[in-house]
Amino acid sequence: NAGVIQTPRHKVTGKGQEATLWCEPISGHSAVFWYRQTIVQGLEFLTYFRNQAPIDDSGMPKERFSAQMPNQSHSTLKIQSTQPQDSAVYLCASSPGGANERLFFGHGTKLSVL
Amino acid sequence: GEKVEQHESTLSVREGDSAVINCTYTDTASSYFPWYKQEAGKGLHFVIDIRSNVDRKQSQRLIVLLDKKAKRFSLHITATQPEDSAIYFCAASMWTDKVVFGTGTRLQVSP
Repeated sequence: NAGVIQTPRHKVTGKGQEATLWCEPISGHSAVFWYRQTIVQGLEFLTYFRNQAPIDDSGMPKERFSAQMPNQSHSTLKIQSTQPQDSAVYLCASSPGGANERLFFGHGTKLSVL
Repeated sequence: GEKVEQHESTLSVREGDSAVINCTYTDTASSYFPWYKQEAGKGLHFVIDIRSNVDRKQSQRLIVLLDKKAKRFSLHITATQPEDSAIYFCAASMWTDKVVFGTGTRLQVSP
């Protein structure tokens, strides 16, 4: 079992460009979570899916961020018109059932917006 | 919504001593309290958890205590070793809600 796979590991974009981050959860896990980690804000919840359905996107900046889970084997987080303040490590996690079980985290995607 | 406060931002102990990290939460409906460890340059890794139907859980050198009345839970690491040095995050969740994390405690274990 390869664990949660996130690609790319590093992404550099120019201000105003689009960034798409990919996450492959552990096979058989029904819940997928996205978090953003920065030194200043710590671990911020963005969104989560259970059985591919969006359950809670209360942490998503509404205008430029979107997340999808088109099938059980991957989820994407898209950031349009990236801004320097979007620079962070974006972490994806999956769990067998939901928020009441341990999360398995990927290594993260470090996004740098110049 | 739930808020989790992690009281110690840094903690330094000598090898062999115990380390204690304290967290408080706000929502009485929270029922699951996991702890995660993050080593330098790596993702988060689960270490131990406790559910609201018990008040103590131990796994080898790790002990988690839960005080539901005070809405407080803590991680005790006994007989610390240099490899315990990392950032530790507490978290709280309900079945129907997201997992909310504390701000992290950087633990340094010196020989």
